[in-house]
Amino acid sequence: AQSVTQPDIHITVSEGASLELRCNYSYGATPYLFWYVQSPGQGLQLLLKYFSGDTLVQGIKGFEAEFKRSQSSFNLRKPSVHWSDAAEYFCAVARGGGSTLGRLYFGRGTQLTVWP
Amino acid sequence: DGGITQSPKYLFRKEGQNVTLSCEQNLNHDAMYWYRQDPGQGLRLIYYSQIVNDFQKGDIAEGYSVSREKKESFPLTVTSAQKNPTAFYLCASKEAGRYEQYFGPGTRLTVT
Repeated sequence: AQSVTQPDIHITVSEGASLELRCNYSYGATPYLFWYVQSPGQGLQLLLKYFSGDTLVQGIKGFEAEFKRSQSSFNLRKPSVHWSDAAEYFCAVARGGGSTLGRLYFGRGTQLTVWP
Repeated sequence: DGGITQSPKYLFRKEGQNVTLSCEQNLNHDAMYWYRQDPGQGLRLIYYSQIVNDFQKGDIAEGYSVSREKKESFPLTVTSAQKNPTAFYLCASKEAGRYEQYFGPGTRLTVT
């Protein structure tokens, strides 16, 4: 079964500092990987996705993520955090291999606090 | 503007009453999903539908029901059988053959 682990429940960084949010997945074949962001009381917005090819993917709002097959990880990074990045971040995985089911499996989320 | 709408944003009900949450999309997406979100638990799948007039149970379907009579609409009914209905409910949709899902703004349901 697929599962997604986000080891950090809550991270606090200062504005302007770099950020890395961790995500590990368990799935035998090549996964389709996603990062979503959620502001309080809002829906989820897709930040970026990885399907194949270059293991470093760029997303919106200056975020990037790197797929490391050997570590089963897909960590989200940003070089310089802005106060507006404070939100909850979710990693998700979908089963690949031609399945049309399209189920997403979500991690429990990492809450990001940004200090001014 | 294309997107997913959920209404209402806040919903209050008394225990023992059924309540229906609306989800509409004008993205021409084939698949639609309902998730429940509780603090610290991520998103849990309630029901999903890949085509009109067909839907499947997700991981926590007990106490919920859905219908898919039109491609653009996927309403969720929270029945009185749902033991702990107070939560944030999110609807999502996706194109056939793709994997990324797009989410509505959510409905916060409070049952007292």
